[in-house]
Amino acid sequence: DTAVSQTPKYLVTQMGNDKSIKCEQNLGHDTMYWYKQDSKKFLKIMFSYNNKELIINETVPNRFSPKSPDKAHLNLHINSLELGDSAVYFCASSHGDTQYFGPGTRLTVL
Amino acid sequence: AQSVTQPDIHITVSEGASLELRCNYSYGATPYLFWYVQSPGQGLQLLLKYFSGDTLVQGIKGFEAEFKRSQSSFNLRKPSVHWSDAAEYFCAVAGSNDYKLSFGAGTTVTVRA
Repeated sequence: DTAVSQTPKYLVTQMGNDKSIKCEQNLGHDTMYWYKQDSKKFLKIMFSYNNKELIINETVPNRFSPKSPDKAHLNLHINSLELGDSAVYFCASSHGDTQYFGPGTRLTVL
Repeated sequence: AQSVTQPDIHITVSEGASLELRCNYSYGATPYLFWYVQSPGQGLQLLLKYFSGDTLVQGIKGFEAEFKRSQSSFNLRKPSVHWSDAAEYFCAVAGSNDYKLSFGAGTTVTVRA
């Protein structure tokens, strides 16, 4: 009965590869988010979708493309991975003012 | 633009002692304020939040926080810490229009026996 789930939990890949991270929420929320947590644990928002529409798009390289097939899912696709993309990526969802976070996906680019 | 400052990078506290984590925010209007906790290898869990009303808010795990508009602060407190409180604590601010969270850099809490 996990509220916000992400797969995979760990992802190790080579530079230049393309990878996706999936996020699903079963809370019935309208809005979903992607955050990046760097090696210094600093958290920064990347994207937000509301009812499958992009509403927040921070300064993120266009190699990162979010996709929301329905309200319950927000996937993150990353093209041409770079060393600097190594981080923990968190998905979150909300209905209004409070966001609930998934467990995170640790991406390591070699 | 909204921002959050957590002045303390790392705090060490003895088990059973009190804990206070500082948070200062910058936001032009009335902010929405949050404290999240991240245990090692885990996601973020909401401890408490403030939107309006009583400036002293109670959260889970025995935590409370006080909103002081005059000081632009939202400090987190716990009267008696447990070893399981060792974690990373994040203060965050959001606007009332888009709920976009801006996080502080976090404070690492170590609990010694």
